[in-house]
Parts: sequence; C-alpha cells; structure tokens
Amino acid sequence: AQSVTQLDSQVPVFEEAPVELRCNYSSSVSVYLFWYVQYPNQGLQLLLKYLSGSTLVKGINGFEAEFNKSQTSFHLRKPSVHISDTAEYFCAVSESGFGNEKLTFGTGTRLTIIP
Amino acid sequence: ETGVTQSPTHLIKTRGQQVTLRCSSQSGHNTVSWYQQALGQGPQFIFQYYREEENGRGNFPPRFSGLQFPNYSSELNVNALELDDSALYLCASSLGGGTYEQYFGPGTRLTVT
Repeated sequence: AQSVTQLDSQVPVFEEAPVELRCNYSSSVSVYLFWYVQYPNQGLQLLLKYLSGSTLVKGINGFEAEFNKSQTSFHLRKPSVHISDTAEYFCAVSESGFGNEKLTFGTGTRLTIIP
Repeated sequence: ETGVTQSPTHLIKTRGQQVTLRCSSQSGHNTVSWYQQALGQGPQFIFQYYREEENGRGNFPPRFSGLQFPNYSSELNVNALELDDSALYLCASSLGGGTYEQYFGPGTRLTVT
C-alpha cells in the first residue's frame, strides 16, 4: 500500500515570491508521482507527472517538481507565483507498471497568494 | 473535444435512500475511475472500470457499486446512504494502457441529511 504526506496544510506566499509545496510518500513498490491542482468548485487538473527518466519534471503554469528517491519526496516549486495560482494542490502516487491507475492522494496544501 | 462531464452538479438525499451519479468520459477514453472527496480531504479511490469491467476497487463497502457502458460512460450507485457519504464525487477518465494521465470532471456534490 502507498501513502502520501503533504507536510503543510496551508501556505501563504506574497505575489512574485517563490514557493515550495512539500510532498513525501511511502510505498513498498516502485511508484509514479503526480501533482494536481484544484481551483474552487472545480475538478482536479494535472500539473505534472513523474514516470521515469529525468528526476526534474516540468509542468504547466511554470511549475516543476523534483523526484528524490532516497528521501521519498516529490516537492513542487515555482520561482514566482501569481494571484491566479491560489488553489488547493494535491500530491498523488500510483503503483508503477501496467495495471489499474489508482491514485492515492495526500490531504492537500492550500496555496494563498498575498497581493 | 469534450471533456469529462458529470451529472447532477448537486444533490441532496436523505439517509437510507439510494443515489445514482453519472459520468461521461472524454472522447476516446476507455477507462473511468471514481473518487470520493470529503470536505478538507484528498480524493479517495472508490473503483475503476476498464472496457466495462471493474479493474480495481478501494476500501469502500459493497453498497458502492458501478457500471460502465459500451460508450464508456459510467454510473456510480450508492445504496443505503449514510451521513458520512456526504462528499464531492469525482469521475476521471483516461486512455488506460499505462498512460497514467487522468482527466477529472467537475464533480457531483452529494449532501446526505
């Protein structure tokens, strides 16, 4: 079984400042890693995913994340945030290999951008 | 290209009743997953359907059941509703086959009173 821990439930950041949202996972098997964003009253949108290859993954809206296998982490970063980045961010894992693509999510981090 | 759609948007039911939620997958997607998102929590996997067959189930009781139709649309049925079933129910579709890219609908907000 897999589990995901998002260490910060809320992160306030000033506009144009950098941000890092932390994610750690636990699994007895190899996993794939994901970050999703949820805007108010909407479903989830995929920001980026790590399946294999380079450990630095670039996604949409200027976000990137780095997979660190030794620290079992997959932190999300953005060098300069905008008001429009205000949303809930979810880290998720899925057991690697062909099979059902069940996602196990963390509890989310609410990112609030301060003007 | 039409995205994932869900109906209804909101629903209020009484404890003990039954409910059916519907999902239309994105064009060309043969895999549908359902998730329950309680207030302030991350989504939890209920089950997944691949080409009309159940392809994995989370820790939900049998009163949660589903169907996938030949056009790959899907239904989630919940019997004997409990207060704790109040949540946002999300449907996600994907191409399957190891693409690991799920597209989520806007969800159905279910309130059980």
